[in-house]
Amino acid sequence: SQQGEEDPQALSIQEGENATMNCSYKTSINNLQWYRQNSGRGLVHLILIRSNEREKHSGRLRVTLDTSKKSSSLLITASRAADTASYFCATDNSGNTPLVFGKGTRLSVIA
Amino acid sequence: SAVISQKPSRDICQRGTSLTIQCQVDSQVTMMFWYRQQPGQSLTLIATANQGSEATYESGFVIDKFPISRPNLTFSTLTVSNMSPEDSSIYLCSVAVRDTHSGELFFGEGSRLTVL
Repeated sequence: SQQGEEDPQALSIQEGENATMNCSYKTSINNLQWYRQNSGRGLVHLILIRSNEREKHSGRLRVTLDTSKKSSSLLITASRAADTASYFCATDNSGNTPLVFGKGTRLSVIA
Repeated sequence: SAVISQKPSRDICQRGTSLTIQCQVDSQVTMMFWYRQQPGQSLTLIATANQGSEATYESGFVIDKFPISRPNLTFSTLTVSNMSPEDSSIYLCSVAVRDTHSGELFFGEGSRLTVL
């Protein structure tokens, strides 16, 4: 199965800075989703971007998708300590198979 | 959206025992899944819980080890059988509110199992 690969594995920034996380995948997709997980708890859906979209915004989140490079990025602007969490990308290959999650980026925002 | 309750939230178990995790959803959903997240790792899909029929297991997971029940559209259980320390993980129940794999997933808070 294709699995998204997030980059970097871990990221530490100061409060107020922007955080950028990247996700690469291997085969064509229907959509790509980003999730957040706070310290060993359940995942929360952040945003979904379809294969025919290039950029999407939601509050302080900005997601881009480059299907030619098979990559996506998640930008969190003006980060807060509460943004500290692990962030996962997940790819939907065909609609008939379950989402495949990447390995995640651990973001630490220092107040 | 969907609100999912999972229990137990955590447990410490002895090697060789079995534990059943419950997942209750506040609305009827067709698509329900069980994931495993080993320490520091990503999520791996164990199986799709099918209402009224046997669960669909992913490669590497078998019914004898992870029996799943889905008696109705709001409830499912996952049993981790004959546990070993390698089964120490967070087990997550998730649902898709649309009848497709393509939409967003909603997750329970997870059940953290430690096997001694």
